[in-house]
Amino acid sequence: DTGVSQDPRHKITKRGQNVTFRCDPISEHNRLYWYRQTLGQGPEFLTYFQNEAQLEKSRLLSDRFSAERPKGSFSTLEIQRTEQGDSAMYLCASSNAGDTEAFFGQGTRLTVV
Amino acid sequence: TQLLEQSPQFLSIQEGENLTVYCNSSSVFSSLQWYRQEPGEGPVLLVTVVTGGEVKKLKRLTFQFGDARKDSSLHITAAQPGDTGLYLCAGDKASGGSYIPTFGRGTSLIVHP
Repeated sequence: DTGVSQDPRHKITKRGQNVTFRCDPISEHNRLYWYRQTLGQGPEFLTYFQNEAQLEKSRLLSDRFSAERPKGSFSTLEIQRTEQGDSAMYLCASSNAGDTEAFFGQGTRLTVV
Repeated sequence: TQLLEQSPQFLSIQEGENLTVYCNSSSVFSSLQWYRQEPGEGPVLLVTVVTGGEVKKLKRLTFQFGDARKDSSLHITAAQPGDTGLYLCAGDKASGGSYIPTFGRGTSLIVHP
């Protein structure tokens, strides 16, 4: 296993379109996190899963955002009806429950035009 | 209000200089992580500090956790251009019995040759 993998690395979309991002965590990790990062800011927490259960969602996660982790392995983050304000780096991280260290993927850079 | 305040926000120095960056909070953390992030990439974990007063060294980087586990510092000796990047600290924020890594805004470091 080579670490957390995210796909795509870059996405350019027109305002109003839907986009979906994928994250493959480190295989033995049961926790998976999604973060959003904009220029000049640290990563901001969006949501996390323990196995297939989505346990916490930030207020940043509007109803246009949905995340799934159907089999407790990979996860998807979908943004519907994208807006220019959604332009950001979307980061995925994984860890084991009880561990305080999270390991990040390379991120997906979303640009909404 | 940021849970973790990092200072300075920006730092531009010459190769060979020493520097210290700080991560402060009014909250007590069970542990604190330091990450380095390069442009267009995800954060890479450098170290975790757990015990109040703990000092950890990673080559030219020295990390210290405050006695009260509310703050931390990162000292770089003889900085190199390869040290350039965004340095992020993260603490575990308790949420409904789970711990979620929560980040400061980071210190952006540029080391000029």
